[in-house]
Formats: sequence, structure tokens, C-alpha cells
Amino acid sequence: AQKITQTQPGMFVQEKEAVTLDCTYDTSDQSYGLFWYKQPSSGEMIFLIYQGSYDEQNATEGRYSLNFQKARKSANLVISASQLGDSAMYFCAMRLTNAGKSTFGDGTTLTVKP
Amino acid sequence: DTAVSQTPKYLVTQMGNDKSIKCEQNLGHDTMYWYKQDSKKFLKIMFSYNNKELIINETVPNRFSPKSPDKAHLNLHINSLELGDSAVYFCASSLGGQYNEQFFGPGTRLTVL
Repeated sequence: AQKITQTQPGMFVQEKEAVTLDCTYDTSDQSYGLFWYKQPSSGEMIFLIYQGSYDEQNATEGRYSLNFQKARKSANLVISASQLGDSAMYFCAMRLTNAGKSTFGDGTTLTVKP
Repeated sequence: DTAVSQTPKYLVTQMGNDKSIKCEQNLGHDTMYWYKQDSKKFLKIMFSYNNKELIINETVPNRFSPKSPDKAHLNLHINSLELGDSAVYFCASSLGGQYNEQFFGPGTRLTVL
């Protein structure tokens, strides 16, 4: 069975600094997708970034980048130049080929300090 | 032009009642989901439909019954509501396959008294 582990329940970062949110995954499948979502205090779930298991380059989307280390089964989210609006809960998720089931980690609450 | 919409946004009801939550997506996606987010913010998939067919049914009490009248709609009916059903329920949609992100609705906060 697949599993996502986010070991940091809470993280603090100073505004304008970079922060890394950890995510490790466990699956025996060779083909899978890894996703990060943001959930601000308003409650909606916002897709941030995606990495495919066969992608050789790390994904980037603006200030978000994904540090994908396949051998270590880790897919850490890096947020550069943190902004106050980045304060939110962040979820790592994995989807396998079969039936599109997604498994989510328990989330990391990020607080950006001014 | 909302992508994934849910109604109602808030639902407060008494134990034992039956209630429904509706979900619609206008993205042309073929797969729709229901997730439950508990008070600790843990997010768990409940059901997944692909082209109106149920493809994932996690360990969910049979008081919960999803219905997909067409590819754009996935409703959730809950019978005999219990206190433990209080949570935020998210509908989501995506294209099938493991490479496509899910688009989430705004959530329905269900409170059972």
C-alpha cells in the first residue's frame, strides 16, 4: 500500500527566506505522480506543483520547486522568497496509475514571520 | 466560471438525519472524488468515480452513498448522521491517470449536533 509521510507538523520561516517542506513516499509502483497542495486558513485546496516519477528534471513553478530524489523516495517542496501569504497548510500527495487514487500526507503548517 | 462547485457550503443538522451534498465540475474531467477532512486536517479519500463508474470505495460506512448522474456531477448522500461525521467534505475532479492534478471544490463543512 502506498504511504506519504510529512514529518514536520509545523514550520516557521522568516519573510523573504527560503523554506523546505519534507515529503517521503512509499510505493512499489514504478509509475506515479507526486503533487503538492496548499490549504490556506480560508480552507480551499490549491494545486501548486507536480512531479512525475519518470521526470528527470525537478519541477518548478514560479517560487515553488520540487526537490525530487527518487532513490530516497523523497519529494520535498522548496518555497523561495517566502511571503506572508504563504502561511498555510501544505499537503504532499501521490497518485498511482491504477484508478487515480490519491494518498495525502498529514500536512505541514507553515507560518511566515514578518 | 467556477471550476468545481459544492452546495451547500455549510450544513448543520441533528444526529439521525439524512443529508446530501452536491458537486458539479465544468472542467470536462472524467474522474471525480469525495474526500473527508477531519478536525485534525487529515485528508482521506472516500470515493472516486471515473466516467460515472465507481472505481474507489474506501472503508466508508455504508451510510454514505455517492451518486454520479453524469460525468460532471457527483453527489454524496449520508443517512443516519452521527457526531463523528462532522468534518469538511471536499469534492474534487481530474482527468484520469496519475499525471493529472486534482481540482478541489471549496468544501462543505458538516456539523452534526
